[in-house]
Amino acid sequence: GEDVEQSLFLSVREGDSSVINCTYTDSSSTYLYWYKQEPGAGLQLLTYIFSNMDMKQDQRLTVLLNKKDKHLSLRIADTQTGDSAIYFCAERAPGGYNKLIFGAGTRLAVHP
Amino acid sequence: AAGVIQSPRHLIKEKRETATLKCYPIPRHDTVYWYQQGPGQDPQFLISFYEKMQSDKGSIPDRFSAQQFSDYHSELNMSSLELGDSALYFCASSSGPGLAGGEQYFGPGTRLTVT
Repeated sequence: GEDVEQSLFLSVREGDSSVINCTYTDSSSTYLYWYKQEPGAGLQLLTYIFSNMDMKQDQRLTVLLNKKDKHLSLRIADTQTGDSAIYFCAERAPGGYNKLIFGAGTRLAVHP
Repeated sequence: AAGVIQSPRHLIKEKRETATLKCYPIPRHDTVYWYQQGPGQDPQFLISFYEKMQSDKGSIPDRFSAQQFSDYHSELNMSSLELGDSALYFCASSSGPGLAGGEQYFGPGTRLTVT
């Protein structure tokens, strides 16, 4: 079945690294995504990784994919207060029509 | 760069009324998706269209219908509104529905409040 799980809350100190974890159940997922949602705002696509990759880096963001364990992580280096938001992990449902299955979201709180 | 446009941004309706939400995809994107995000919830897929045809259907109530027009914009029609329909409704667009359409961009959402 299709299911994406995330821890609900993460608190880090400004300047530290944040690691947000996600597990998914469908091994046939082709793309996995990270979206950011600030309060009252829309979903901002941060990055995505194709299932044949292990790692993708984009400036302060590093995505790691362990396909064997169906585990995805997002690392944010040098976390800033502006990074405070809810981060959603999403998998692309198999079947070819690209609908996304979201996790419950991880609320990241950055404190001084 | 142009993004997905949704209108209206906020909508207040009473129970049993109807509502129409509009979505204008990124230029040259041919696929549109609708999602519903309840308070404190993750977005749930409702329905999608590719080249004006319905391509996939999720947990969309029978009271809701949607279509994609020749200019690729889409409208979500909601009838007999219930209190539980209060949510943020997102539209997203991508270029192509299948394996080629890796990136899905979301609009700012329409916040619907049913009283």
